[in-house]
Amino acid sequence: DIQMTQSPSSLSASVGDRVTITCRASQTVLTYLNWYQQQPGKAPKVLMYAASTLQSGVPSRFSGSGSGTDFTLTISSLQPEDFATYYCQQSYTTPYTFGQGTKLEIK
Amino acid sequence: QVQLQESGPGLVKPSQTLSLTCTVSGASINSGGFYWTWIRQPAGKGLEWIGRLFTTGSTNYNPSLKSRVTMSLDTSKSQFSLNLTSVAAADTAVYYCARLLFTFGGVPRYFDFWGQGILVTVSS
Repeated sequence: DIQMTQSPSSLSASVGDRVTITCRASQTVLTYLNWYQQQPGKAPKVLMYAASTLQSGVPSRFSGSGSGTDFTLTISSLQPEDFATYYCQQSYTTPYTFGQGTKLEIK
Repeated sequence: QVQLQESGPGLVKPSQTLSLTCTVSGASINSGGFYWTWIRQPAGKGLEWIGRLFTTGSTNYNPSLKSRVTMSLDTSKSQFSLNLTSVAAADTAVYYCARLLFTFGGVPRYFDFWGQGILVTVSS
C-alpha cells in the first residue's frame, strides 16, 4: 500500500493567516493526489484534485501543488469556516489511501 | 444534484454480518466514468477506503478487508450495497458511500459526492 503522511497533524492559526499543509507519499503517485476538508460530524468534501485543480465552488484562497511524492495545500488567508480537518488522498492505485489528517484549529 | 444516502442497522453483534445500502439519486448508477465506493472512519480517526464497484459489477477491495467484504449493485433500485462479515469491535465506524469520478489512464480520479455517513457500532 502507498502510505500518505501529512504534516503537521495539528495546527493552530488565526483568521487571516496563511497556512500550508504538507503531504508525502511513500512512492510516486504522479499527480493522482486529492485534498478533502472535513467539518465535525460531516462527510469530507473535495477541495482540490489532480494535485492542483480547484474543485468547482471552492474559494480561490485554496491552492495545491506538487507531483511525485511531495504535495502541499495552502490556504492564503484563513477564514472562520476553514477551521476543519484536512486529508490528502492518493488515487494512483488501489487500495486508495488517505493521510492521517491535519486538524486546523483557531489560535 | 447528485445525492447518496446510506441505510442499514446502526448496531451489529460481534461475529455477525454488517449490511449497508447506499441509494443514489440525481445520477444514473449505470453511468460510465464512475465507481461506487465505501469508505469508513472510526471515531476520532482517519479515513479507510473499503472498496469500489463499477457499473459492470467489477469490484476491487482493500486487501486489509478483502476476505470479509462483498459489494454489489442493484441498478433497478439505483442502489449499491456493502456486506462485511465476521465483524468485531474494530469495525465500529461511520461508514460513508461515495462516488468516485474516474478517468481511465489519467486524472482526475476523486471522490466527488459523499453520503452523510452512518454510524455502525459492533457490540453485543
